[in-house]
Amino acid sequence: ETGVTQSPTHLIKTRGQQVTLRCSSQSGHNTVSWYQQALGQGPQFIFQYYREEENGRGNFPPRFSGLQFPNYSSELNVNALELDDSALYLCASSPSITGDVNGYTFGSGTRLTVV
Amino acid sequence: QKEVEQDPGPLSVPEGAIVSLNCTYSNSAFQYFMWYRQYSRKGPELLMYTYSSGNKEDGRFTAQVDKSSKYISLFIRDSQPSDSATYLCAMSRVNTGNQFYFGTGTSLTVIP
Repeated sequence: ETGVTQSPTHLIKTRGQQVTLRCSSQSGHNTVSWYQQALGQGPQFIFQYYREEENGRGNFPPRFSGLQFPNYSSELNVNALELDDSALYLCASSPSITGDVNGYTFGSGTRLTVV
Repeated sequence: QKEVEQDPGPLSVPEGAIVSLNCTYSNSAFQYFMWYRQYSRKGPELLMYTYSSGNKEDGRFTAQVDKSSKYISLFIRDSQPSDSATYLCAMSRVNTGNQFYFGTGTSLTVIP
């Protein structure tokens, strides 16, 4: 299977709830990054996972956490949801930890709405 | 101050026009400069990238980087209605792996 697959595509949650978003990386890719894209804004880096370890984090609070599994798929977990967490969450996989701009592939994202 | 600034537009041009999209940045450590295109309800897709300074051409698209001014540009020649999308500039430092810093995105509409 090729490409980055994210699930679900859309999700509606209530403020204070917890959510888990999933990402299947492209075949052969061992690094996964997560981004948050609010409406009308560019993607903002949340964190990156390499070999099941967090390797770099943006300016997001600890209630944003993640996991990477041995098959390189990944989860993004957000606790205590706030209205401002409403956004498109993008997963990107790449074949190496550094500098492979060409191989960096985004999924179509999960649209999260917090009400 | 954001590390990457981009005029959000929207920008509307007639088919065949030359389009100029621009970004400025503040971090002199950026070495990779990318342009992504994003259609509605889709993830960004890489159009082209430049390492360090200079120009790069790919078909109707030309990317320019001026590190002395901390300014990058994307030119689209002979614009087509299929070019209608949001264009995002992105940048990264060499030693921070795949952490990309994106601009706000410019919404472009090419009118037939």
